[in-house]
Amino acid sequence: GAGVSQTPSNKVTEKGKYVELRCDPISGHTALYWYRQSLGQGPEFLIYFQGTGAADDSGLPNDRFFAVRPEGSVSTLKIQRTERGDSAVYLCASSAELAGRGEQYFGPGTRLTVT
Amino acid sequence: DAKTTQPTSMDCAEGRAANLPCNHSTISGNEYVYWYRQIHSQGPQYIIHGLKNNETNEMASLIITEDRKSSTLILPHATLRDTAVYYCIVRAPSGTYKYIFGTGTRLKVLA
Repeated sequence: GAGVSQTPSNKVTEKGKYVELRCDPISGHTALYWYRQSLGQGPEFLIYFQGTGAADDSGLPNDRFFAVRPEGSVSTLKIQRTERGDSAVYLCASSAELAGRGEQYFGPGTRLTVT
Repeated sequence: DAKTTQPTSMDCAEGRAANLPCNHSTISGNEYVYWYRQIHSQGPQYIIHGLKNNETNEMASLIITEDRKSSTLILPHATLRDTAVYYCIVRAPSGTYKYIFGTGTRLKVLA
């Protein structure tokens, strides 16, 4: 079946601009995660959704970052006033979270470059 | 901070078993051990997970020590396509289900 998809695959934007990154999870997965990965580092947690609500947004670095999942499926990560330090690969993952033991399935990521 | 420590890099000859160690000495009783790998320019891929018993699937085997303070991921017959960064993660089955990744082990399979 279809895996997690993310669009766009690459995004180049100028410093100060607004960007939106989209994630389409595996159908039926209730849990959705966003991570950010800088070069040479492991993915870093940003936010976790259970259904439509953000159950844990403790990883969002500041208030320029915001994410939504209005219908409990597709999610959008929004970054305002982008900075060069926001350049990274943004990964989305989804999980069925069966009794908390579900493995996460990751998308290919969106490579964001802020110039 | 990650709750696991792994060697930075390892080499393995093609066709031989690759044994990747992970230390998780502060693991709690209800925390599972997960292994993922990340091939260049792709998202992490789930490999296997376990609680206390050894586990095996079509990709790998997971050996967890009796005290659960360490584990080893075994790729029985490594191929060039197994070259990747391997991450060991511990996570509880309750609360926030986020993963805390370390820097992983960069496995290079040599022809």
